[in-house]
Amino acid sequence: QLVQSGAEVKKPGASVSVSCKASINTFMKYGIHWVRQAPGQGLEWVGWITVKDDKPNYARKLQGRVTITTDTSAATAYLELRSLRPDDTATYFCSALFGSGGSLFEHRGQGTLIIVSA
Amino acid sequence: QSVLTQSPSVSGTPGQRVAVSCSGSSSNIGSNSVYWYQQVPGTAPKLLIYKSDQRPSGVPDRFSASKSGTSASLAITGLRSEDEADYYCAAWDDSLNGMIFGGGTKLTVL
Repeated sequence: QLVQSGAEVKKPGASVSVSCKASINTFMKYGIHWVRQAPGQGLEWVGWITVKDDKPNYARKLQGRVTITTDTSAATAYLELRSLRPDDTATYFCSALFGSGGSLFEHRGQGTLIIVSA
Repeated sequence: QSVLTQSPSVSGTPGQRVAVSCSGSSSNIGSNSVYWYQQVPGTAPKLLIYKSDQRPSGVPDRFSASKSGTSASLAITGLRSEDEADYYCAAWDDSLNGMIFGGGTKLTVL
């Protein structure tokens, strides 16, 4: 239900932006998580934003290098990571949570592989 | 090393009940809700449980969870082959001011 941008290869020190496009009907209701998963490793939380409030929250270890934004007109969330390092190599996943009729719903992106290598 | 501790693996046979445990501290599980995710290798993680014991829409009631003190547990009843996956617990940590994950538990259906 969420469509993420394609895989990228970046050099150390570069920046990358990953997009996560949703259906415009539900976008304003979303709280959007970004998590990442290094090859063969577990999940790591990157950050979170509520679309309505537009207030992001970031993992402490990434603060200063990460920015999460939304474009409501395009129903798209963006994750930007700067000053890339080889240990940023991972698959980045977006997911959106929203409530409706007393139930919680989750929409998930397919993941975007980011490789950081010289 | 993860702040939330999970056993690396668990196994069961079809139809059985299995449990996955998650141990934390007063700054995370002890004072905040627990979330459980299922991840089939090569796919996006799927939210199974939120607010420690609530299921999102579409998650079967074979999945249930509980929390006590600084520990939490996910139970799967009527085990099926498609339940074979990695399971992760997560919680907000007040000291880190961020969400943290356990290291994951690999469930094998024998």
